[in-house]
Amino acid sequence: EVQLVQSGAEVKKPGESLKISCKGSGYSFRSHWIAWVRQMPGKGLEWMGIIYPGDSDTTYSPSFQGQVSISVDKSISTAFLQWSGLQASDTAMYYCARRGLCSGGSCFDYWGQGTLVTVSS
Amino acid sequence: DIQMTQSPSSLSASVGDRVTITCQASQDISNYLNWYQQKPGKAPKLLIYDASNLETGVPSRFSGSGSGTDFTFTISSLQPEDIATYYCQQYDNLLFSFGPGTKVDIK
Repeated sequence: EVQLVQSGAEVKKPGESLKISCKGSGYSFRSHWIAWVRQMPGKGLEWMGIIYPGDSDTTYSPSFQGQVSISVDKSISTAFLQWSGLQASDTAMYYCARRGLCSGGSCFDYWGQGTLVTVSS
Repeated sequence: DIQMTQSPSSLSASVGDRVTITCQASQDISNYLNWYQQKPGKAPKLLIYDASNLETGVPSRFSGSGSGTDFTFTISSLQPEDIATYYCQQYDNLLFSFGPGTKVDIK
């Protein structure tokens, strides 16, 4: 069974750093891209970026380029999303999702349960 | 960047009604258009991929159509468990984006 299991909720202060994780199982982790998606409170879904575990090839949404860092450790089948200096506006639910086998690989077929990040002084 | 618009932003319908949501891309995306359902407090779930293909296990009352820039998502007979927000999502050359969503509830 394909599963993406994300790390637990975080409460941080502005300016702090944070790294959240997404562990894949039940499939060949290194062969499927992993994306990160933000959902601010009461708002819609925003694609942040995507990484290929096989070679760490990464593409960012222009809206998130330079704001976050996406990485992967294929030895432990885990992708990461990292901030070096959090802001209150980073408060959101963050989802990881597997790029699926649909035509052209355009879809996200499995999702993690989400990690809630709260940034408050 | 390709921009996605969805309409309506919300709708209220009765159980058994036919519900239709439209999604428009700012440029031709072929059939690289997918539909997701998100229930409150849950992760999104893929329902339709490549504009018109039903994901495994998804009830047949859900369907999608379209290509190019104009797409349609239909629930043929709305059920109480379909209360959710529905998002379209496009893909173009390793860039992805979602529509703003359509919130569906029961009248």
